[in-house]
Amino acid sequence: GESVGLHLPTLSVQEGDNSIINCAYSNSASDYFIWYKQESGKGPQFIIDIRSNMDKRQGQRVTVLLNKTVKHLSLQIAATQPGDSAVYFCAENGRGGGGSNYKLTFGKGTLLTVNP
Amino acid sequence: DAGVIQSPRHEVTEMGQEVTLRCKPISGHNSLFWYRQTMMRGLELLIYFNNNVPIDDSGMPEDRFSAKMPNASFSTLKIQPSEPRDSAVYFCASNPLSGNEQFFGPGTRLTVL
Repeated sequence: GESVGLHLPTLSVQEGDNSIINCAYSNSASDYFIWYKQESGKGPQFIIDIRSNMDKRQGQRVTVLLNKTVKHLSLQIAATQPGDSAVYFCAENGRGGGGSNYKLTFGKGTLLTVNP
Repeated sequence: DAGVIQSPRHEVTEMGQEVTLRCKPISGHNSLFWYRQTMMRGLELLIYFNNNVPIDDSGMPEDRFSAKMPNASFSTLKIQPSEPRDSAVYFCASNPLSGNEQFFGPGTRLTVL
């Protein structure tokens, strides 16, 4: 079946370093991807999204890269801060991002720990 | 905006008891989603509604689980009878018709003894 998975279950970085969190997806029909951040005891929070007609999108301190050839998604966090410590999930919407509400398939998550 | 509201935040019950989880989506959002999160299985979509109508309930584990959305501002997820393996954090999320970003509530941590 279709699935979204992560390469690294845990990542530990020093404050100020850049972080890269990776995600592989298997549904070639997926055309919309989202990264969520989940802090302990809270629900997932939207970080950034990207449509399949793009290969890069930048936000504030975050960049998402999409490589459709190898079905790979990554989240880059610049100058990582202790407040960035959380579990990060990638999610795919396999039925389009054009205003339709279809379900998201989530990866297992990567735990990012930022050491001061 | 208060965001998605869920209640209760924590629920501890005994096996065999009925459990009802509640969700109030963000006002104006047309879609509502129920998820279950466990360490072993991650985030799993249980069911989602568009305009109060259930669209996909293929993720509902079994007949013990049921969900309703009687109006645009309220939904329930019921487990009857509950079992220890139902212990998890249950999230509700909503999003507007025009977007794909789902806004999650704080979750209900369910423990079935």
